[in-house]
Amino acid sequence: EAGVAQSPRYKIIEKRQSVAFWCNPISGHATLYWYQQILGQGPKLLIQFQNNGVVDDSQLPKDRFSAERLKGVDSTLKIQPAKLEDSAVYLCASSSDQGAGQTQYFGPGTRLLVL
Amino acid sequence: AQSVSQHNHHVILSEAASLELGCNYSYGGTVNLFWYVQYPGQHLQLLLKYFSGDPLVKGIKGFEAEFIKSKFSFNLRKPSVQWSDTAEYFCAVGSNYQLIWGAGTKLIIKP
Repeated sequence: EAGVAQSPRYKIIEKRQSVAFWCNPISGHATLYWYQQILGQGPKLLIQFQNNGVVDDSQLPKDRFSAERLKGVDSTLKIQPAKLEDSAVYLCASSSDQGAGQTQYFGPGTRLLVL
Repeated sequence: AQSVSQHNHHVILSEAASLELGCNYSYGGTVNLFWYVQYPGQHLQLLLKYFSGDPLVKGIKGFEAEFIKSKFSFNLRKPSVQWSDTAEYFCAVGSNYQLIWGAGTKLIIKP
């Protein structure tokens, strides 16, 4: 079974530029999560999708971050414009269903450096 | 606000030593409890989880964790660590639809 795929693996941009990350979850998984992990901290949920609907985006900085999962499968996360404090690893995870008891399966992450 | 606290950011042990990593959370309701692990160069993956029933749960690679409700704790243990246990360990607590994560503990095992 293929795991969660993410691209790119690394990205370096200058502040005020825009960047987009892509995630393809495990086939059949209805729930998709985007996390931000800043160095020395645990993952912080940015947004959670159930199929193509948003379950939770309460911690997504909506003035600069956006995410979509139009067909209920793969997803993109965009930052526009980027700030220095956005430097982090962006993790995508998926689970077969929603609920805090579900096991989440993670991708390799995208390491973003904003200069 | 709910929070998860992992007591040690870095732990260094010799092979065959016993391990206990602390995890405490602040939430009074029903919770699901997880330990995830990230080995060097690999993805985050589930180590073990607790939903209900026996508060002592066993996971992969000889790890176990004990849920003590009165102490709001879910400590991870292994009686004898190996060099291959070098990794970062995250405790996470789920309630409703959210998973709240601790900051992680980096474990280094000296051969």
